[in-house]
Amino acid sequence: LAKTTQPISMDSYEGQEVNITCSHNNIATNDYITWYQQFPSQGPRFIIQGYKTKVTNEVASLFIPADRKSSTLSLPRVSLSDTAVYYCLVGETYNFNKFYFGSGTKLNVKP
Amino acid sequence: DGGITQSPKYLFRKEGQNVTLSCEQNLNHDAMYWYRQDPGQGLRLIYYSQIVNDFQKGDIAEGYSVSREKKESFPLTVTSAQKNPTAFYLCATRQNTEAFFGQGTRLTVV
Repeated sequence: LAKTTQPISMDSYEGQEVNITCSHNNIATNDYITWYQQFPSQGPRFIIQGYKTKVTNEVASLFIPADRKSSTLSLPRVSLSDTAVYYCLVGETYNFNKFYFGSGTKLNVKP
Repeated sequence: DGGITQSPKYLFRKEGQNVTLSCEQNLNHDAMYWYRQDPGQGLRLIYYSQIVNDFQKGDIAEGYSVSREKKESFPLTVTSAQKNPTAFYLCATRQNTEAFFGQGTRLTVV
């Protein structure tokens, strides 16, 4: 499985756009990129998933460059409730025998 | 409603005792997972099961055991061989490429 590298923590203020970048230099051809969000004392929950270019849903956007060696999770106009840990995962479609969660990025949104 | 139920939410164990954490799902997912999370750390895989009556060790299986007799259930036993069991334990299922998590069990050794 491709290893991922994320910043340990980030600070932001309410109303700002936040971009969290994940590096995955060894991503394989069949690998998808998935982001999860975890609040304290809860299980992670799925945010967004993509393979290439840009994906957008109601909560976030995911930008993936052509070489796919990195990806950026974009959270528009964050609020205090977006304070959480964000994990980037890389794995093969339909062969996710294991989900590897690294340490993630702790996002702290300030008022 | 559909989901993953972990019980109990909090569990206290005396040193030297075995304890079993429950995980039940009604999502009809084949794959199930157990993770351990220590304070300020990411999730580490303990065991996983792709199908009933089959399971595989994850990265930190020592001191833990599991069973998968039913599709809906994947209990985790923390044995006395686990030297530092105090942690937050998360059960998950998988559908295609998405993982679904329970609310976790916080185990404390007293």
